[in-house]
Amino acid sequence: EAGVAQSPRYKIIEKRQSVAFWCNPISGHATLYWYQQILGQGPKLLIQFQNNGVVDDSQLPKDRFSAERLKGVDSTLKIQPAKLEDSAVYLCASRPAGMMNTEAFFGQGTRLTVV
Amino acid sequence: AQSVTQLDSQVPVFEEAPVELRCNYSSSVSVYLFWYVQYPNQGLQLLLKYLSGSTLVKGINGFEAEFNKSQTSFHLRKPSVHISDTAEYFCAVSVTYNQGGKLIFGQGTELSVKP
Repeated sequence: EAGVAQSPRYKIIEKRQSVAFWCNPISGHATLYWYQQILGQGPKLLIQFQNNGVVDDSQLPKDRFSAERLKGVDSTLKIQPAKLEDSAVYLCASRPAGMMNTEAFFGQGTRLTVV
Repeated sequence: AQSVTQLDSQVPVFEEAPVELRCNYSSSVSVYLFWYVQYPNQGLQLLLKYLSGSTLVKGINGFEAEFNKSQTSFHLRKPSVHISDTAEYFCAVSVTYNQGGKLIFGQGTELSVKP
């Protein structure tokens, strides 16, 4: 079974530029999460999708971050414009629908450096 | 609101010594509990999970954890650590939220195993 795929693995951009990250979850997993992990901290949930609908985006900085999952499969997270404090690892995870007692499967993450 | 607190940010230990990584959670509803491990430049991998039943759960790589409902704790233990156990460890709770499970992480504990 293929795992969660993320790209790119690394990205370096200047502040005020824009950037996009892509995630392809495990086939059949309706729930998709985007987390932000700042160095030395635990993953912080940015947004949660159920199929192509947003379940929770309460911690997403909506003035600069956006995310979509148009067909309920792969997802894109965008930052525009980027700030220095956005430097972090962005993790994507997926899980079967409504299965809160199952593990979430994580991709390897995208390490973003904003200079 | 639900939260997870990992009481130690760093735990240094010598090889073959026992180790305990502490985790406390706060929730007014039933939760499912997980421990994940993160090796450098990688995503999160499940170590073990508590769903119900026996309060002592065993996971991969010789780790185990004990669920204590009265103390709202889920501490991770290993009787004898190896150099290869050096990694970041995250405790997480899964709770029902809208249409799916919300997965909340602690701040992480860096385990450093020295020869």
